[in-house]
Parts: sequence; structure tokens; C-alpha cells
Amino acid sequence: DAGITQSPRHKVTETGTPVTLRCHQTENHRYMYWYRQDPGHGLRLIHYSYGVKDTDKGEVSDGYSVSRSKTEDFLLTLESATSSQTSVYFCAISGIAGGYNEQFFGPGTRLTVL
Amino acid sequence: AQRVTQPEKLLSVFKGAPVELKCNYSYSGSPELFWYVQYSRQRLQLLLRHISRESIKGFTADLNKGETSFHLKKPFAQEEDSAMYYCAPDVLYGGATNKLIFGTGTLLAVQP
Repeated sequence: DAGITQSPRHKVTETGTPVTLRCHQTENHRYMYWYRQDPGHGLRLIHYSYGVKDTDKGEVSDGYSVSRSKTEDFLLTLESATSSQTSVYFCAISGIAGGYNEQFFGPGTRLTVL
Repeated sequence: AQRVTQPEKLLSVFKGAPVELKCNYSYSGSPELFWYVQYSRQRLQLLLRHISRESIKGFTADLNKGETSFHLKKPFAQEEDSAMYYCAPDVLYGGATNKLIFGTGTLLAVQP
């Protein structure tokens, strides 16, 4: 597996609490992505980053924020968790955008919001 | 609306039977197209990409620009092919940066 780790791997939290998920890479790739995976919806892009301190919204960004202060780390924060944010969250990295845009995925974080 | 459609949530076949997982897209231009696969307890990974015209694990995918389809095919399914398959066009999204847009996925179950 490409050098991508996610932490925590599992988390249970309560509605209204903030949650931060971490993605760490050792590949020095420029692009990093956060997706959520839900039955019937597949993978949906939440936010992405195209460099340190450069981030942008994906298709389901409401209720989420991200930060990237170092090339290797991309943090996803749920500012006030809701039950609709119960999901499996995947981080991905890629060296380039477009063309041969192979993305390498992390193992996922299963988040349950009660 | 621009979208990628995988009409089958579940496709169940017997070992040795042919398999076709459907993917239709409605993005403008000529997006590059990919199939990703997620085996049980493994990470999502690239299976194949159209631009490479390759066959991976016996799978091929044919691009039909007229029908805007990129169906994944295998002549003889094996039990180890059981997995979730995602079609993903690479499209220009929100500016100048390309993104993969994933379909809803098809779960392939190959019965012995």
C-alpha cells in the first residue's frame, strides 16, 4: 500500500461535538482528497488540497472544514457532528491532477455519530 | 446534469459466467475514464484506465463515445472477482483542476 495512514480508524462520538480526522502520507504527493462513502451514494468528494494551505470544496463540503499546514498531513474537521455525518471517510493522494490521475487511498475511518 | 451512473447496485453471477458492469456518464468533453475496485477488507485501488487500453485480471473496458458508456467486462468470472466496483471519470471540476467523480458503485458477487 502507498504510504497513507488515517487516524483514528474508528470513532464514535455524540451529536454536536467537533471531530478531527487525520490523513498522513509519506509519498510527498501534491494532491490530497477527503471522500465519504455511503451506501447508494458511492464515494463523494468532501474537500481537496492542491498544496500546502491550498484547499477547495468538493461536492458535499457543508459541515466540514479542512486544513493542510504540511505536505504530509491533511486534516478533516467536522465542526459540530450530526448523525448524517455517520459514514466511512477515505483519504486519497495523487501526484498529478488530470490525465493519469491515479489516486491512492487510505484504509478509511469509520465514524459513528450518535 | 453532469453525472456518472452505475445502474446496478448488485450483480450476482456464477463462476465462469461472463460479467458486464455498466457505466454511463454525461460529462461534456472527453473525460479520461477509470475503474476502481474495493475488495473485502482492502483499500480502494485502481483497476484499469481507458487511456492505457489494458486488460487487468482479465477485465477490459470499452469506451463508447456515442453512448457515453465505459462498461467493464470479463468473459469468465472468478470468485476472487467479488468486490465493489466504481466507475470514475476524470473531469474538470470547480476551476482548472481535474477530479475523479465516482459512480455509486456495483457490488459484484460471484457464486461458486
